[in-house]
Amino acid sequence: EVQLLESGGDLVQPGGSLTLACVASGFTFSSNPMTWVRQAPGKGLEWVSAISGSGAKTYHADSVKGRFTISRDNSKNTLNLHMNSLRVEDTAIYYCAKELVYGGITYGFDVWGQGTMVTVSS
Amino acid sequence: QSALTQPASVSGSLGQSITISCTGTSSDVGSYNLVSWYQQHPGKAPKFMIYEDTKRPSGISYRFSGSKSGSTASLTISGLQAEDEADYYCCSFAGSRHWLFGGGTRLTVL
Repeated sequence: EVQLLESGGDLVQPGGSLTLACVASGFTFSSNPMTWVRQAPGKGLEWVSAISGSGAKTYHADSVKGRFTISRDNSKNTLNLHMNSLRVEDTAIYYCAKELVYGGITYGFDVWGQGTMVTVSS
Repeated sequence: QSALTQPASVSGSLGQSITISCTGTSSDVGSYNLVSWYQQHPGKAPKFMIYEDTKRPSGISYRFSGSKSGSTASLTISGLQAEDEADYYCCSFAGSRHWLFGGGTRLTVL
């Protein structure tokens, strides 16, 4: 069974830092691109960051560019999101998601973790 | 890049059909056959329902179907059931390895 399990969510002050982790199982993690999506309380989904299977290529939404960094450790089947200079508006549930890929094209996000809550508040 | 536009809410009676629209632009929905749809029940993670505009992943009921015309994609749910009551989100590739989600639609089954 394909599973994703996030951790690392916490209460942090504005300007602070936090690192989220997502442990994957049930598929060949090292060959699969991965994504982070977040959802502010009572709001919709927002794509945050993506990373290629090797980790060589990373992509970030404009809202987090320069503050967040996505990375992965394929030896540990782990996806990370390093978040710096956190703002109140970064408060959200953060989901990691497996990308559905055929022929090098991502068609969507077919498996999601249960999410981890990040609260930015003084 | 702005979020894709979805109606805030739709409703339908048990057994009826409903359609949720998702409007983007020629830079996202209109440029790629890469619209996907997600169902989210309260307190749960999103669930993958439709991809490549019209395809259903394994295990998704035939009652769910996707379509697209120009820059507007649609999700149709036929034979509404109580368990279909949830939030639904569309998502489109927007170029440069970026993705846009819609604002979400709350489906109420009467």
